[in-house]
Amino acid sequence: DGGITQSPKYLFRKEGQNVTLSCEQNLNHDAMYWYRQDPGQGLRLIYYSQIVNDFQKGDIAEGYSVSREKKESFPLTVTSAQKNPTAFYLCASRTHGQPGSNQPQHFGDGTRLSIL
Amino acid sequence: AQSVTQPDIHITVSEGASLELRCNYSYGATPYLFWYVQSPGQGLQLLLKYFSGDTLVQGIKGFEAEFKRSQSSFNLRKPSVHWSDAAEYFCAVGAVNTGTASKLTFGTGTRLQVTL
Repeated sequence: DGGITQSPKYLFRKEGQNVTLSCEQNLNHDAMYWYRQDPGQGLRLIYYSQIVNDFQKGDIAEGYSVSREKKESFPLTVTSAQKNPTAFYLCASRTHGQPGSNQPQHFGDGTRLSIL
Repeated sequence: AQSVTQPDIHITVSEGASLELRCNYSYGATPYLFWYVQSPGQGLQLLLKYFSGDTLVQGIKGFEAEFKRSQSSFNLRKPSVHWSDAAEYFCAVGAVNTGTASKLTFGTGTRLQVTL
């Protein structure tokens, strides 16, 4: 079955440590996204990528970094500069489709990050 | 800038009763609108989408939504709620696809509780 796989499901970070969240998709989708979800705040966009080797900052990119070396993969690194990293992180992907259309985003099952 | 308002943070309905979840959007052009559902600790699942055409759209799990341009609304409805519908529901608005990645703006969500 095609889908989006996020790993690990739970992740713990020590103070001052960088951690990387994995996101892999086998849907042959062009674009990939990272969101942060906090209670009562909905989803906020961290970074997104339209094509391989290209990505753009979202609304809350500070303290995060990404790479897009392969179409299937879009890992997110939460750096020590992110002072409040405890949240639920969701990865999504979508195909570009034809101009004038808008394809929906498909989501993985998320990674919950906590600070030790 | 686009925005989405879900005015109800929490709604409780009895099983078998009808449901309407409200969504109001602000967008400068023709919007593309989505409803997603999220079970606890899971990713988001697409319920339905509106791009153009018939303003009443049908989705999965017996849900429907009506686009009302004059009211800038896209309310989600279900005639008879099942206990398994208890979850969090998100409305989202997106831009016209120009052949590149399109960002979504999400509302803050409505948590639905179903009583037996």
